Amino acid sequence: DGGITQSPKYLFRKEGQNVTLSCEQNLNHDAMYWYRQDPGQGLRLIYYSQIVNDFQKGDIAEGYSVSREKKESFPLTVTSAQKNPTAFYLCASNPGTAGELFFGEGSRLTVL
Amino acid sequence: ILNVEQSPQSLHVQEGDSTNFTCSFPSSNFYALHWYRWETAKSPEALFVMTLNGDEKKKGRISATLNTKEGYSYLYIKGSQPEDSATYLCAPLNSGAGSYQLTFGKGTKLSVIP
Repeated sequence: DGGITQSPKYLFRKEGQNVTLSCEQNLNHDAMYWYRQDPGQGLRLIYYSQIVNDFQKGDIAEGYSVSREKKESFPLTVTSAQKNPTAFYLCASNPGTAGELFFGEGSRLTVL
Repeated sequence: ILNVEQSPQSLHVQEGDSTNFTCSFPSSNFYALHWYRWETAKSPEALFVMTLNGDEKKKGRISATLNTKEGYSYLYIKGSQPEDSATYLCAPLNSGAGSYQLTFGKGTKLSVIP
């Protein structure tokens, strides 16, 4: 079945450690996105990529990094510079920047 | 960042009741309006993508209307069922400087009581 796979589903990290969240899609979509959700807030855009080897910062990119070496994959690294990394992270894709988004099931990161 | 308001924040309805909620957004640089349904422990799923002023879309018991001039959209659920329990997100898509930006509201959490 086509879709978006995020891993891991749950992740615990010690302060000062970098962690990488995986996002893979087999929908042949050009565009991919990373969102963050915090309690009481809407989904906020961290980074997005419209094409392989290109990506742009979203509204809250500080403390995060991404790569887009393959069309299918858009991993997100939460660096130690991110001051409040505990959150729920959603990856999404769409065939073009104006179309509906297809989401993964999310990754919950907890910093201990 | 756009100011997208959804109301109410949450509501509880009895099975069989009809309900509606609102999404308000700035009307400048509007391109489209997305509605998503997000059930607990699942991925958000698109309900509608609406672009034209006066647009009305329907999927089963769920329908939505769009007013781009005044910047609002209504989502209606007729005869709510327990399986309609979810958080409903709206997200206007705005264009500017050659790119498109989707901004999500905080959502309306619907609980349907059997």
